[in-house]
Amino acid sequence: AQTVTQSQPEMSVQEAETVTLSCTYDTSESNYYLFWYKQPPSRQMILVIRQEAYKQQNATENRFSVNFQKAAKSFSLKISDSQLGDTAMYFCAFMKRNTGNQFYFGTGTSLTVIP
Amino acid sequence: EAQVTQNPRYLITVTGKKLTVTCSQNMNHEYMSWYRQDPGLGLRQIYYSMNVEVTDKGDVPEGYKVSRKEKRNFPLILESPSPNQTSLYFCASSLSTLGGRVKAFFGQGTRLTVV
Repeated sequence: AQTVTQSQPEMSVQEAETVTLSCTYDTSESNYYLFWYKQPPSRQMILVIRQEAYKQQNATENRFSVNFQKAAKSFSLKISDSQLGDTAMYFCAFMKRNTGNQFYFGTGTSLTVIP
Repeated sequence: EAQVTQNPRYLITVTGKKLTVTCSQNMNHEYMSWYRQDPGLGLRQIYYSMNVEVTDKGDVPEGYKVSRKEKRNFPLILESPSPNQTSLYFCASSLSTLGGRVKAFFGQGTRLTVV
């Protein structure tokens, strides 16, 4: 079974500062993906960033980057130059490839950006 | 526009009254799945489908049914809803490309209240 753990239920950061959200996972799979999704008050699930497990290079998307430590099964999200629009719930997710592409989600981290 | 469409967006119903939440995707994806989101628990998988007429249980299937008669549609059926099924529901579809990438899309969510 796959499990995803987000140990920070709530976090806050000053506008323009940097914040890191933690995520660990447990799996015996070798072929998988990891994701960070943002969920604003509209409840829409918005993809922030994606990492293929077979790639050693950490993914980056503008102000968002990840620190992927495969051996430690850790997948943290760094948000640089935080903006008010970053205020949302953030979910870390694991996906096994091809067996239905099933997602396994963490319990989420509620991030508040303080002006 | 590539999208996953869920209907209805909001639903209030009474205990025991059968209901169906529809999910439709226009991307010819093979994989589709349903999740429920509850506070403090993140998103948990209810059912998934790997193709037409191929469905399987996720982590929390009790009280739900699904069908996949056509590739584009994956309805979620609650035969006899109970208050503990009050939740936010998401449908997702995805595919794995030949290049090894995953593309996943989520519906807008359905807020279900069972009284």
